[in-house]
Amino acid sequence: DAGVTQSPTHLIKTRGQQVTLRCSPKSGHDTVSWYQQALGQGPQFIFQYYEEEERQRGNFPDRFSGHQFPNYSSELNVNALLLGDSALYLCASSLTGQGALKEKLFFGSGTQLSVL
Amino acid sequence: GDSVTQMEGPVTLSEEAFLTINCTYTATGYPSLFWYVQYPGEGLQLLLKATKADDKGSNKGFEATYRKETTSFHLEKGSVQVSDSAVYFCALSDNFGNEKLTFGTGTRLTIIP
Repeated sequence: DAGVTQSPTHLIKTRGQQVTLRCSPKSGHDTVSWYQQALGQGPQFIFQYYEEEERQRGNFPDRFSGHQFPNYSSELNVNALLLGDSALYLCASSLTGQGALKEKLFFGSGTQLSVL
Repeated sequence: GDSVTQMEGPVTLSEEAFLTINCTYTATGYPSLFWYVQYPGEGLQLLLKATKADDKGSNKGFEATYRKETTSFHLEKGSVQVSDSAVYFCALSDNFGNEKLTFGTGTRLTIIP
């Protein structure tokens, strides 16, 4: 059973460019959350998707956007990249039942984004 | 807003030493508390959790007790091994079921033989 898979594993972009990161949740999971982990810091919540809609959002600018597909996979898009967007981006999946999460989060290994 | 304050690292110990990593939190209501571990090149793995006051979470020899009176959730292990070397994160979530996690900054633990 595959866990949470993310692609690509590493990515290098330049300032001003746009990037798309992808996440496939663990089999049977329907909820995807994205986190940003800057070097030497703890992960910070970006947003969460359930039923193809953004359910919660952290304190990130509108340059960060996302999407969830009918097969529950998800994309994170970042526009107008800044040097400060360099970080490890983690995807986590879980199962929601009756509107509340019913199973613990499973994290992927992340995408390391470097902005030059 | 919610926050987690974690013991600054890095922490270096000899094998079989006793480990404590301090964690305190600020939250409204009654959060759930977690310890996650991150091995090099890997994602976060849930180590243990506690969902209410006085609960003790335990796994792989690690323990942490949810102390509401001191708003703490310190991680302990009686005898560490080289394989415990990793980064440890304390985290909390609200109890409204949305499982948005708020993390501490992490503590890098290195165990030397």
